[in-house]
Amino acid sequence: DAMVIQNPRYQVTQFGKPVTLSCSQTLNHNVMYWYQQKSSQAPKLLFHYYDKDFNNEADTPDNFQSRRPNTSFCFLDIRSPGLGDAAMYLCATSSGQDEQYFGPGTRLTVT
Amino acid sequence: LAKTTQPISMDSYEGQEVNITCSHNNIATNDYITWYQQFPSQGPRFIIQGYKTKVTNEVASLFIPADRKSSTLSLPRVSLSDTAVYYCLVGSGNTGKLIFGQGTTLQVKP
Repeated sequence: DAMVIQNPRYQVTQFGKPVTLSCSQTLNHNVMYWYQQKSSQAPKLLFHYYDKDFNNEADTPDNFQSRRPNTSFCFLDIRSPGLGDAAMYLCATSSGQDEQYFGPGTRLTVT
Repeated sequence: LAKTTQPISMDSYEGQEVNITCSHNNIATNDYITWYQQFPSQGPRFIIQGYKTKVTNEVASLFIPADRKSSTLSLPRVSLSDTAVYYCLVGSGNTGKLIFGQGTTLQVKP
């Protein structure tokens, strides 16, 4: 089945140690999104790619970067994780204005 | 994108119809309204999307008045498995970008 896959599902990193979360899709969608969701809060859009065009949200910290080497893959890099970056990170894809398909998320713990 | 306002929580009983209303006063002409459902520790799941009037699919109906400043998600005959957080969002008609509001936690009781 076509889907959005996120690896790993659970990630533990140390304070200040760079970490990369990955997302892949088999839907061939041209738009990919990264959201951060903290406990009991709504998902917050960090950035999105429309094809290769990167669109950063104004309030996304510089600590968060993203790469999209091809249509299928997108990565979220956290350069120096702090305790406040512990959250669920959700990847989603869409073909534009249509519904977004979300992956299961990666739960990041910072120790 | 227009901000959305919806009740923080709602309770219902199995078999009842549930209506969740959302306000989006500053919706732009090209924007659309979409609803997502989220269970704990899962990604949100698309429920329904509309631009105006009424949209119905196999799981829900969406009612949008002519001024489009509000919308109502209707879930017919809810079951315990419908207990979840429901998000009303306004999507950009230009970019497809979604901004999540606070969501409504629906608790379905037996």
